[in-house]
Amino acid sequence: DVKVTQSSRYLVKRTGEKVFLECVQDMDHENMFWYRQDPGLGLRLIYFSYDVKMKEKGDIPEGYSVSREKKERFSLILESASTNQTSMYLCASSFQSYGYTFGSGTRLTVV
Amino acid sequence: EDQVTQSPEALRLQEGESSSLNCSYTVSGLRGLFWYRQDPGKGPEFLFTLYSAGEEKEKERLKATLTKKESFLHITAPKPEDSATYLCAGTLRGNEKLTFGTGTRLTIIP
Repeated sequence: DVKVTQSSRYLVKRTGEKVFLECVQDMDHENMFWYRQDPGLGLRLIYFSYDVKMKEKGDIPEGYSVSREKKERFSLILESASTNQTSMYLCASSFQSYGYTFGSGTRLTVV
Repeated sequence: EDQVTQSPEALRLQEGESSSLNCSYTVSGLRGLFWYRQDPGKGPEFLFTLYSAGEEKEKERLKATLTKKESFLHITAPKPEDSATYLCAGTLRGNEKLTFGTGTRLTIIP
């Protein structure tokens, strides 16, 4: 089974801090995605990547950046955390359009 | 604009009471329609992918169907362990992004 591992289940950060969320997949998938999930809004795509060193903006990229230096690792960066970035963050990977697999999520609280 | 809409937002059923969840989409050039289950505090867990109208897939008490405009997730004789949020998502041809609905929160009462 494909595994997508997110480094932290829970994080608490202060406003203005730089925050790194890490995601690693073990099945050599080309595609990786970062979503955030909020009550009543569902999952919204922040950034995605089709290959190493490649990134594309999703629907809500403002305030975020990403890094993909290796195929298996996709990092989400909050350059200066704000309280409106408190959310559940979900990483996913896929091979073409088949079998999107999600990690367990990171619940980030910005205080 | 591509949209995926799920109804109802929440559904409470007695154990054994069958029902259906709806997912309608306005994604032109739909490539795949996905169903996921999500338990509280966890990531979505893949259930089904449907690619063409008329297609059906089953897993235990769940059956997913697809028409040209909507998909249904039928739950037959549900048990309390089927309680979860069920998410529907679509992808476009030539595009690997998933567009999600906001989910249906299903509660099965013993």
